[in-house]
Amino acid sequence: GAVVSQHPSRVICKSGTSVKIECRSLDFQATTMFWYRQFPKQSLMLMATSNEGSKATYEQGVEKDKFLINHASLTLSTLTVTSAHPEDSSFYICSADPGLSQYFGPGTRLTVL
Amino acid sequence: AQKVTQAQTEISVVEKEDVTLDCVYETRDTTYYLFWYKQPPSGELVFLIRRNSFDEQNEISGRYSWNFQKSTSSFNFTITASQVVDSAVYFCALSEAGVNFNKFYFGSGTKLNVKP
Repeated sequence: GAVVSQHPSRVICKSGTSVKIECRSLDFQATTMFWYRQFPKQSLMLMATSNEGSKATYEQGVEKDKFLINHASLTLSTLTVTSAHPEDSSFYICSADPGLSQYFGPGTRLTVL
Repeated sequence: AQKVTQAQTEISVVEKEDVTLDCVYETRDTTYYLFWYKQPPSGELVFLIRRNSFDEQNEISGRYSWNFQKSTSSFNFTITASQVVDSAVYFCALSEAGVNFNKFYFGSGTKLNVKP
């Protein structure tokens, strides 16, 4: 079945550094992918829609300069958290739709010290 | 406005009890989709069911069953004879038709604790 992968699964970084998270559709092409953020014990909140070959669409309240999204190919979207701070520590999940239903990646747990 | 409401923050039951997780949604679209996902401690979302707005038939899958009622905008999930392995956070989600089709709106989740 359709699979969405994320890399890395966990990352710990120092405050002020940038972190890149990859989301890949393994056996299908995805012109659109979605990025969600989940704070501890909270729900998933849509951050942005990643569009292949064009700019991402950000949800209200999400800083586009802080969360850079690049969808360079039909199977890869990247989320870069720039100048990360402890408040950016969260669980980041991407999703993509092969045409049947939305598939979610396994998530990336980011901890900023 | 909250599109999906899961009023139950946490539920604890003893193994073999039945448990129902509530989900109430809000949308102006006539075509929409409802989902339930299970999130174990590992964090990965496990797909349980998808239901479109035109299909109000209840569904049963093993110990799981879903009750979709458009009249009350509810899509409740029942686990029969619960097991310890059912312990997880369960999310109800909504996606609307049109350009927003793949944008999911998640409820706040219900944490289910099944005790042996």
